[in-house]
Amino acid sequence: DGGITQSPKYLFRKEGQNVTLSCEQNLNHDAMYWYRQDPGQGLRLIYYSQIVNDFQKGDIAEGYSVSREKKESFPLTVTSAQKNPTAFYLCASGLGVQETQYFGPGTRLLVL
Amino acid sequence: KQEVTQIPAALSVPEGENLVLNCSFTDSAIYNLQWFRQDPGKGLTSLLLIQSSQREQTSGRLNASLDKSSGRSTLYIAASQPGDSATYLCAVRPNSNYQLIWGAGTKLIIKP
Repeated sequence: DGGITQSPKYLFRKEGQNVTLSCEQNLNHDAMYWYRQDPGQGLRLIYYSQIVNDFQKGDIAEGYSVSREKKESFPLTVTSAQKNPTAFYLCASGLGVQETQYFGPGTRLLVL
Repeated sequence: KQEVTQIPAALSVPEGENLVLNCSFTDSAIYNLQWFRQDPGKGLTSLLLIQSSQREQTSGRLNASLDKSSGRSTLYIAASQPGDSATYLCAVRPNSNYQLIWGAGTKLIIKP
């Protein structure tokens, strides 16, 4: 089955803790994205990557970090510097940055 | 700066009705526009993509139109069913960069 997987489905973060959200795709897509979704707002881009070993900041990159060491994987780390991390996080991928994006099922991050 | 607005934020209609969802954008210099569906707590599914040179796209009971000059797109759903209940989001890709600009969505409830 081809698709995008995100894990875990729910994640709890303690104060001062870094947590990492996983995103894997087997669609052979070059481009991958991380979005944050808050109630009543449109999706906001955190980071995106057009190709392996390259990534760019989106509109709200502060307090987040990413890596793109493999084509299939684009993990997102929510650092302790992100003071309001509670949100629904969506990963997406596409053949290129101007192509349709395909989304994973999302990870809901909650703060303890 | 491109802004995307979806009104109303929520809509409830009886089963069987035809309905129209609206999406407006402030800058007509767009590369394409997409409509997505999101079920509660899930990722997004792409429904229709309209290139800037196109006026409409159809898929089954769905028809999306684009009027760049007025900065509007509509998603028409024919013969609505309870399974159409979801949040519908539109996203615009500007000519000037690769980022999608998102509306906040319309939450649609189809009453049996």
